[in-house]
Amino acid sequence: QPVLTQSSSASASLGSSVKLTCTLSSGHSSYIIAWHQQQPGKAPRYLMKLEGSGSYNKGSGVPDRFSGSSSGADRYLTISNLQSEDEADYYCETWDSNTWVFGGGTKLTVL
Amino acid sequence: QLQLQESGPGLVKPSETLSLTCTVSGGSISSSSYYWGWIRQPPGKGLEWIGSIYYSGSTYYNPSLKSRVTISVDTSKNQFSLKLSSVTAADTAVYYCARLTISPYSSSFWGQGTLVTVSS
Repeated sequence: QPVLTQSSSASASLGSSVKLTCTLSSGHSSYIIAWHQQQPGKAPRYLMKLEGSGSYNKGSGVPDRFSGSSSGADRYLTISNLQSEDEADYYCETWDSNTWVFGGGTKLTVL
Repeated sequence: QLQLQESGPGLVKPSETLSLTCTVSGGSISSSSYYWGWIRQPPGKGLEWIGSIYYSGSTYYNPSLKSRVTISVDTSKNQFSLKLSSVTAADTAVYYCARLTISPYSSSFWGQGTLVTVSS
């Protein structure tokens, strides 16, 4: 089964950009992942699906400031023009043989 | 507009069975494009996939919970359910139901979650 690795925390200034990373385990570098956002005290919200090619499909209502990219086993979520409401936990997710797995999450602080 | 709503007891005694139901509105649970899943989040911790079900009734469980989990679907009521047996305090968590998909072109969707506390 794939394993997803995320940094535990990240920070960036209001109005700047940040790039969060989710790394797929060895042998799973071609896998599609999903990114989810969880604001404090709220349920997770689906952001996008991201392929190994870098192609991504965002969910309904996800702002243009959110984009995805890929390099090898790494899957990135870039948030541009950071807003205060972007302060949240971000989780990546993938699946294999009808089994799902989540990364440990990255806590993003907007300074 | 799609909505998923969890329901069930918020307090369960140790060794008993936790039972939750997810009601889907604004969409059909019988769609062949999606799986329907349960995910939990212990206080202050990350997300853990519990299991998923397809509308046909095929089930898939987290190996670490498989011996205690049963997920079922009722297509006539547009609902799916979770049973977790022999609970302990470690099962205290917010439980989310969600629409999951393996297609790169389809979106997942989450319920609002419900806190279940295991305590005597």
